Amino acid sequence: EVQLVESGGGLVQPGASLKLSCVASGFTFSDYWMSWVRQTPGKTMEWIGDIKYDGSYTNYAPSLKNRFTISRDNAKSTLYLQMSNVRSEDTATYYCTRLGWAYWGQGTLVTVSS
Amino acid sequence: DVVLTQTPPTLSATIGQSVSISCRSSQSLLHSNGNTYLHWLLQRPGQSPQLLIYLVSRLESGVPNRFSGSGSGTDFTLKISGVEAEDLGVYYCVQGTHAPRTFGGGTKLELK
Repeated sequence: EVQLVESGGGLVQPGASLKLSCVASGFTFSDYWMSWVRQTPGKTMEWIGDIKYDGSYTNYAPSLKNRFTISRDNAKSTLYLQMSNVRSEDTATYYCTRLGWAYWGQGTLVTVSS
Repeated sequence: DVVLTQTPPTLSATIGQSVSISCRSSQSLLHSNGNTYLHWLLQRPGQSPQLLIYLVSRLESGVPNRFSGSGSGTDFTLKISGVEAEDLGVYYCVQGTHAPRTFGGGTKLELK
């Protein structure tokens, strides 16, 4: 059974950095592109970016490219999202998903507030 | 960026009723490779999104065949032929033809 489990969310102050993780199981992680998507409290969905199966290529939403970095460790079957200089508008539930949208994690909530 | 406009934003239905949701794109979603990367997701209350339909009309494995997708170019439709209680939630269309990937604003299906 495919499972994606995110972690690392929580309350963070504006301007801080945060790293989210997503541990994958039930499939050969190194064979698949992966993505991060976020959902605001108002339920708006926003694509953050993708990473190629070997980590050699990433693609980001232009508005987030300068502050967010996606990486992966195939040996650990883990996807990461490094967030820097966070702002209140980054408050959202963050999902990892296998490219193709068929598999999603349960999400991890990030709240940016002082 | 491609804007996906979903209508209606809210849909009230009775059990057994057939309903349709529209997703209109600001640009054609036909890719140069011949595929149209328009998909439909359902997010039930308190759950993560799940894939219903991919590539406009292909039913994801395990999804009931009361769900169907159609359309081309800029106009797409998700139809539910006989709503069941488990179908309640928010439906999203999402496109992957053009970068960046974008989502529609969602259509909330509720019981009348």
